[in-house]
Amino acid sequence: SAVISQKPSRDICQRGTSLTIQCQVDSQVTMMFWYRQQPGQSLTLIATANQGSEATYESGFVIDKFPISRPNLTFSTLTVSNMSPEDSSIYLCSVERLGAGEQFFGPGTRLTVL
Amino acid sequence: AQSVAQPEDQVNVAEGNPLTVKCTYSVSGNPYLFWYVQYPNRGLQFLLKYITGDNLVKGSYGFEAEFNKSQTSFHLKKPSALVSDSALYFCAVRDMDSSASKIIFGSGTRLSIRP
Repeated sequence: SAVISQKPSRDICQRGTSLTIQCQVDSQVTMMFWYRQQPGQSLTLIATANQGSEATYESGFVIDKFPISRPNLTFSTLTVSNMSPEDSSIYLCSVERLGAGEQFFGPGTRLTVL
Repeated sequence: AQSVAQPEDQVNVAEGNPLTVKCTYSVSGNPYLFWYVQYPNRGLQFLLKYITGDNLVKGSYGFEAEFNKSQTSFHLKKPSALVSDSALYFCAVRDMDSSASKIIFGSGTRLSIRP
């Protein structure tokens, strides 16, 4: 497994502002991902964070709204830009080692937009 | 295309009784199958996985799951439930034969264990 931390753990933000969420893992991993989860519901993949290149976004998610960085093999950030109340959710990062199959998740960031 | 179904939104079991949380899946190739658990205000925690080999897979906290290829199922089981097992459980599937495949998560089943 891997130890994954996320900062902040929660935040309350005003409409129209941006928030950057950090994900740090304790060892080098091949893949890093960002998900969104409404409380008590399933996970939706936002994008795959690629080290040294642009992230790969899923249908319905765009770089202008959710810019992602991954400068090295242990760190990634997700920015939620120009926030609206509809962006209120839990944002989770996950990691995967090559060939492992399973992903391990961070504790999540609970975002509330007013 | 991949998909996974958890037909029960909620499962209620008395402490000490056996529990089963159901999961069925659909993939084009061979499946990777996973179970995750989420406690309140926490991230997802990996419980167990099936890739190949023995159809009965043992995982954390006394949980196990049985892979049934003919029924395309991967039900989660535990012989004797604990109140502390109360949480949200997610089944997930991935197509082993596709290098670019994503993990697809089910809708989740809330397990409630009464004392």
